[in-house]
Amino acid sequence: DGGITQSPKYLFRKEGQNVTLSCEQNLNHDAMYWYRQDPGQGLRLIYYSQIVNDFQKGDIAEGYSVSREKKESFPLTVTSAQKNPTAFYLCASSTRDRVGNQPQHFGDGTRLSIL
Amino acid sequence: GNSVTQMEGPVTLSEEAFLTINCTYTATGYPSLFWYVQYPGEGLQLLLKATKADDKGSNKGFEATYRKETTSFHLEKGSVQVSDSAVYFCALNSGYSTLTFGKGTMLLVSP
Repeated sequence: DGGITQSPKYLFRKEGQNVTLSCEQNLNHDAMYWYRQDPGQGLRLIYYSQIVNDFQKGDIAEGYSVSREKKESFPLTVTSAQKNPTAFYLCASSTRDRVGNQPQHFGDGTRLSIL
Repeated sequence: GNSVTQMEGPVTLSEEAFLTINCTYTATGYPSLFWYVQYPGEGLQLLLKATKADDKGSNKGFEATYRKETTSFHLEKGSVQVSDSAVYFCALNSGYSTLTFGKGTMLLVSP
């Protein structure tokens, strides 16, 4: 079955440490996205990529970094500069769509907590 | 800029009751509209979508109609089940697949 795999499901970060969240998709989608979900705030866009080797900042990119070296993979690094990283992180993908008709497909998320 | 406003939850209903979750939006151009559902501890799943005015999206007994004149996309279901308990998100996309989400509405259905 095609889908999006996020790992790990749970992740703990120590003070001053960078951590990387994995996102892999086998849907042959060009576009991939990272969202942060906090209680009562919905989803906020961190970074997105419409094509390999290119990505753009979303609404809350500070303290995060990404890479897009392969079509299937879009890892997110939460750096030590992100002072409040505790949240549920969701990765999504979609076909590249100028009009905006195509839905995004989501992984099951990674819950990041501070030790 | 784009924005989506949903009614605050939780919405608490008894099984077989009628459900409405309100959603209104502000957007430039002619966005596509979506409802997603999130079960506890999981990611979001697409529930239904509508891509132009007066379109009705439907799935699993849920329906929503794209009303351009009132900039609304309210979610309805005639008879809810306990298994419908989840968080529901309204979202819009005005191009290049960048979604704008509402804050979500939790639905709790009791037997």
